[in-house]
This record gives sequence, C-alpha cells and structure tokens, in this order.
Amino acid sequence: ELKVEQNPLFLSMQEGKNYTIYCNYSTTSDRLYWYRQDPGKSLESLFVLLSNGAVKQEGRLMASLDTKARLSTLHITAAVHDLSATYFCAVIRTTSGTYKYIFGTGTRLKVLA
Amino acid sequence: EPEVTQTPSHQVTQMGQEVILRCVPISNHLYFYWYRQILGQKVEFLVSFYNNEISEKSEIFDDQFLVERPDGSNFTLKIRSTKLEDSAMYFCASSRGPNEKLFFGSGTQLSVL
Repeated sequence: ELKVEQNPLFLSMQEGKNYTIYCNYSTTSDRLYWYRQDPGKSLESLFVLLSNGAVKQEGRLMASLDTKARLSTLHITAAVHDLSATYFCAVIRTTSGTYKYIFGTGTRLKVLA
Repeated sequence: EPEVTQTPSHQVTQMGQEVILRCVPISNHLYFYWYRQILGQKVEFLVSFYNNEISEKSEIFDDQFLVERPDGSNFTLKIRSTKLEDSAMYFCASSRGPNEKLFFGSGTQLSVL
C-alpha cells in the first residue's frame, strides 16, 4: 500500500523566516503534486513535479523532487502571513490502467506576524 | 477559468437517509474522482471514474456508495443509507488526463445526525 507522509504536521513560524516541508512516499512514482488548502476551502494545485530533479518555484514557494530518495520538499522563503494554510503533497499510483492520487497527511502552516 | 462545481455546499440528513452529492466537472476532463476529508484532516480517496465506469475504489467505498455520470455533464455520488461516520467534506475532482493535476470542487459538507 502506497503511503505518503509529511513532516512536520504543524508548523508555526515567524514572518520573514525560511522553512522546509518534507514529503516522503513509500513506492516508486514519477510525479508528485503539491496542493494548498485554506481553512474551510477547497484544494488548489500549486506544483506538478514531473521527473527526478524537477524544481519549480512560484513566489516564496519552491518545490523539488528526488525520485530515488522518494522525497519531495516544499521550501518557504521569507514567509508572509498569506502563506498560512495547509499544504498537501500527493503521489499518483497507477495499476493496470487505473489511477489513484494518494495524499499526504498535510502540513498546517501558521505564519505569525 | 473553468472550474468544478459542486452542489449543495451543505447537506444535513438523518442517519439512514439517502443523499446525492452532485458535481459538474470541467467540460473537457475525462477522469473524475471523489475524495472526502474529515475535520480538515487527511484527504481520503473514495473512487475514480473513467469512461463511464469505476476505475478504482477504496475500502471505504462499499455497497452503500454509488457513483454515476447520468448525462454528459454531471457526476454524482449517492450514499444509500447514511451513517454518522459519513459526516465529512466531500470533494469532487477532475483531470484532463490520467496523471495530470486534479481540479477540485468547493466541496459538500455532509452532516449526518
């Protein structure tokens, strides 16, 4: 069974600081997805990482993928309050033509002014 | 920008009653999914649907659940006899291709009393 784990589960950080969220998954996958969820809202796609070594950046967020280590990171640079949200990584499992996205446990980020 | 729409946004029902949650995926998407989330926690896979049939379903998706695409635009999740533990936020999602990013609807908050 494919497992996707994130750490930390909760993160409280000061504005202006840097931090990294980690996403580990248990079986081979060539794609990894990051989503953001604001409280009471839906999930919004942030990044799709397509291959080993892929790096994507938007604003203060940068995501990377190491398929050999089965690890993705989401790095936050100089955090601002607007980044407060829950961040999920997801991995796709394909079996005989079926597709299933497995989500990580989520990291709840709170950026303090 | 095209979006996935879900109705109703909230549904309150009595235990044992049937409910139907409705979704209109993005029009050129071919892959459809239902997920649920309890109290903002883990995003749990329920079922995937492609080419008018179920591709994969989770252990949660037992005989009490039914998915249908009754016409060219709607995608529904029926829970035949609701239980207290079915209370959750249910998200519909769609994707254009089999391993492309998911677009999520705004969710239906189901409360079973």
